[in-house]
Amino acid sequence: DAGVIQSPRHEVTEMGQEVTLRCKPISGHNSLFWYRQTMMRGLELLIYFNNNVPIDDSGMPEDRFSAKMPNASFSTLKIQPSEPRDSAVYFCASRRAGLFGNTIYFGEGSWLTVV
Amino acid sequence: TQLLEQSPQFLSIQEGENLTVYCNSSSVFSSLQWYRQEPGEGPVLLVTVVTGGEVKKLKRLTFQFGDARKDSSLHITAAQTGDTGLYLCAGATSGNTGKLIFGQGTTLQVKP
Repeated sequence: DAGVIQSPRHEVTEMGQEVTLRCKPISGHNSLFWYRQTMMRGLELLIYFNNNVPIDDSGMPEDRFSAKMPNASFSTLKIQPSEPRDSAVYFCASRRAGLFGNTIYFGEGSWLTVV
Repeated sequence: TQLLEQSPQFLSIQEGENLTVYCNSSSVFSSLQWYRQEPGEGPVLLVTVVTGGEVKKLKRLTFQFGDARKDSSLHITAAQTGDTGLYLCAGATSGNTGKLIFGQGTTLQVKP
């Protein structure tokens, strides 16, 4: 079975450019999470969706960040304009909500470098 | 704000040694999970503990959830080089739709 699929795996962009990260959750999963990981701050939850609806976006750093989930099989995280401090690994994860303590599956991450 | 503090942050040991990683919080979590992450990959779930005082074993790994469900520990017996990686604890905030709050992680290096 395919896991969580993220693209691109690596992106280097210049400050000020728009960055779009994409995620395809595991089929049948109805919760989707976007996390950011850095050495300094560890793994931080940015936003999560249940049944395509954003439930908690309190972790989104600022207005430059936006996330959408137009359908059950696709989500995007957009940064516009990007800044060097946005450099991090961005993980998408999904799970089938409704089972207590069930497993969250992470993608392999999108490594973003903003220069 | 709910926080999870892990200790130690870094650990370098020889193969065959035992080690314990701690995960502490002032908040109560409905469940707690431990993940292992290898370079270039996403975290992979090792175990979920739900009941206060619960102990789970996964081969040489023993996980314990504190009685008050505020803390947890991971003990590895006779560490192997394949245990090298980043270990993360994560607490679920509420019920089955709650988000996970992650600790900063413990980087373990097991030397041959």
